[in-house]
Amino acid sequence: GAGVSQSPSNKVTEKGKDVELRCDPISGHTALYWYRQSLGQGLEFLIYFQGNSAPDKSGLPSDRFSAERTGGSVSTLTIQRTQQEDSAVYLCASSSTSSRNGELFFGEGSRLTVL
Amino acid sequence: RKEVEQDPGPFNVPEGATVAFNCTYSNSASQSFFWYRQDCRKEPKLLMSVYSSGNEDGRFTAQLNRASQYISLLIRDSKLSDSATYLCVSSLGAMDSSYKLIFGSGTRLLVRP
Repeated sequence: GAGVSQSPSNKVTEKGKDVELRCDPISGHTALYWYRQSLGQGLEFLIYFQGNSAPDKSGLPSDRFSAERTGGSVSTLTIQRTQQEDSAVYLCASSSTSSRNGELFFGEGSRLTVL
Repeated sequence: RKEVEQDPGPFNVPEGATVAFNCTYSNSASQSFFWYRQDCRKEPKLLMSVYSSGNEDGRFTAQLNRASQYISLLIRDSKLSDSATYLCVSSLGAMDSSYKLIFGSGTRLLVRP
């Protein structure tokens, strides 16, 4: 498709389990971002990739969170030993460095519920 | 203190009204600013960039006051379809860079018939 694709769209898991969230950015976009949004809250920055490297991972809440990007394209956000406070919508976005205004294009998000 | 602060609202206005949102940012090194729009249970989408001299896009006008570190969005002749949450955004990077964006928590607008 033409847009940012995320999977799964919904994930319900039990506390303590590991989860993987996937993001497929717009083709050709070199920058990729992960944010999360809790109910009624704003977007919280997690990590940003330029190509396969992550110049800024300052937003990752704890060492249970990690992300990687391979081939300058698909990215995976992994949450180990999930906790109830991890419940949120995880949004991925991509942007093109050739864009005049650096517009971020978001996917529809992965809604994570930790029971 | 949040880096970008907004009045959460909701602002409840009749169709045709003019409504203004303000937002403040705490980092004086911020270089670029935007307004994003987020519909209920949808992803955010860029509404407009905010230029230093102020800029207009149809019924929408954005302004930046660097001295006071605030950004505003004015919506004229409100439509029902303007009902959404408006997210104020800043970045330490230049507008055409791919630096991370810092989002406010959003101001909710409800336009009633």
